[in-house]
Amino acid sequence: ETGVTQSPTHLIKTRGQQVTLRCSSQSGHNTVSWYQQALGQGPQFIFQYYREEENGRGNFPPRFSGLQFPNYSSELNVNALELDDSALYLCASSPGVNPYNEQFFGPGPRLTVL
Amino acid sequence: GEDVEQSLFLSVREGDSSVINCTYTDSSSTYLYWYKQEPGAGLQLLTYIFSNMDMKQDQRLTVLLNKKDKHLSLRIADTQTGDSAIYFCAETGANNLFFGTGTRLTVIP
Repeated sequence: ETGVTQSPTHLIKTRGQQVTLRCSSQSGHNTVSWYQQALGQGPQFIFQYYREEENGRGNFPPRFSGLQFPNYSSELNVNALELDDSALYLCASSPGVNPYNEQFFGPGPRLTVL
Repeated sequence: GEDVEQSLFLSVREGDSSVINCTYTDSSSTYLYWYKQEPGAGLQLLTYIFSNMDMKQDQRLTVLLNKKDKHLSLRIADTQTGDSAIYFCAETGANNLFFGTGTRLTVIP
């Protein structure tokens, strides 16, 4: 059983650019959640995907968007990058949308926006 | 919205017990969690407790829940240098977790 994997591991972008982050969910998991963790802070919920549909969203602007594919892997896209978008982006997969299912987290890429 | 608070830092000597505290606001949370984060690694679920329990013990870990005061604690017995990490408490939302700011535990050899 493979765990949650994310790519890339580190990246640097400049303000105004766009970025795409990728996540492969754990085998058998159909639900993927994305979290943003700024330096010195706890993770904050961005959104969740279940069976290719968005299933809940946190307090993030529309320039944060996502996709889930038929194999349940997922992408997070951020447009018009701002300096405050610099953070660790964590992906978590779980075997369903029940919030009490254990979520398994990837190591997250660290995004730096200059 | 939900608000989960933790103290930022804790230092203990190797072999001593560590107690990490957390307060939360959502009294309807059914589960409360403790996660561990080491550098370069994802969040690792350490343990969880049902809201109708007062205490849960799992090897060196003891979780205490005071639902009246909305206070959660994690006690690590016989703390080791490998326990140095950031510890997050979390409560469940509609379809997500709400995390505290994290407590950085430093174990002094």
